[in-house]
Order: sequence, then structure tokens, then C-alpha cells
Amino acid sequence: EAQVTQNPRYLITVTGKKLTVTCSQNMNHEYMSWYRQDPGLGLRQIYYSMNVEVTDKGDVPEGYKVSRKEKRNFPLILESPSPNQTSLYFCASSLGGVPNTEAFFGQGTRLTVV
Amino acid sequence: DAKTTQPNSMESNEEEPVHLPCNHSTISGTDYIHWYRQLPSQGPEYVIHGLTSNVNNRMASLAIAEDRKSSTLILHRATLRDAAVYYCILKGETSGSRLTFGEGTQLTVNP
Repeated sequence: EAQVTQNPRYLITVTGKKLTVTCSQNMNHEYMSWYRQDPGLGLRQIYYSMNVEVTDKGDVPEGYKVSRKEKRNFPLILESPSPNQTSLYFCASSLGGVPNTEAFFGQGTRLTVV
Repeated sequence: DAKTTQPNSMESNEEEPVHLPCNHSTISGTDYIHWYRQLPSQGPEYVIHGLTSNVNNRMASLAIAEDRKSSTLILHRATLRDAAVYYCILKGETSGSRLTFGEGTQLTVNP
């Protein structure tokens, strides 16, 4: 079954404690991306990756890091989380560079930073 | 990226057809029209996409105006499970794989 898997689904952490949200896809997709969703602001792209070792900033990259060492994995790293990063996060993947293919999304990670 | 305009909310009754409109008057010739939906507490889910011709799949139909400045997502028989936020998104050569989400249309389905 084609899927994007995020872990964990829920996370409560304290300010400044480094955390990683993992994302894995089983469809051999080149393109992967991270979004955050906040009330009133909708879904905004944080970072994206066109392929292994190729990453770039989205609309709201501040405070986040990513890496793409393998094609299937695209972890989101918060080196020093702050309360304004409390949000619902989604990972997505799709075939790269073509506008007529569908994207697959993970189930989301609800992060609370206290 | 070209913008889309959708109504903030719409309401339907169960088992009736639903027509969700989207305006995209600045669409370019190579932009595809994509629809995604987001059910409560879930990630966005692909529904359908098209370029010029009307499209049908198991979930819905997409009707595209002849001048491509608007499109309509059609759910033939709404169910309670179709209650979601529906997003109309343009994807073209400049956006590539990127999806830019607007506010979408919140669809309420009444039993």
C-alpha cells in the first residue's frame, strides 16, 4: 500500500529540547516536503527536497532543519523548539518535477512546545 | 503562482450532488487544476486533477470551463464522510511538484 508514514503522531516537549519528526515514503518518490498547519494560516510549506541531498527552503523555514540522505526518508529537525512552533505538521511526497501527479500526505504530527 | 478563489463554506444534504466552484482567472496554459480535500484530523488527500478536458474518477468529477478560468468539483452523491475542507490548487511548470494551499471550502453534509 502506498503510504507516507510520520512519527510520532503526537509530541509534547519543552522549549529548547531538540527533536526530530521522521517521515518515510514507500513509493520511490523524488519530491518530499514538510508543511505546518495553523488555525487561520492554513497549510504552509516549511522545506522541500527534489531528491537525495537536494533540499530547499519553503515559505516558513526559520527554526527548522531537514536532511535527505536516503530517497525514502525526510526527517524534520527542530534544534531548539519554541512555543511558536506548536503546530500540526504534515509530510508529503510525490513524483518529482511534474505538475500532473498526485501528492501523498502523512497522517500528521501534532507538536506542542511548552 | 496563479491564485484560486473558492467560497469559504458550502452546505449539502446527504445523497445529493455537490458542486464546489473554483475561480482561477489568471491560470496559464500549462497549469493543471488539482483538488485535494482534508478530512478532520487527517492529512490532505488527493481527489482529482485535469488540464483542459473534464475528468472523472471513483471519487469525483472535475468540470473545467472552456476558457479554463474556472472549474467545478462535483461529488455525485454526498455522504457524511465527504464533510471536509476542499482545496483547489494550480500546479504548473514554475510550481512543479509544489502545492500552495489556500483557505479552501469547508463542506458540511447534513444527514
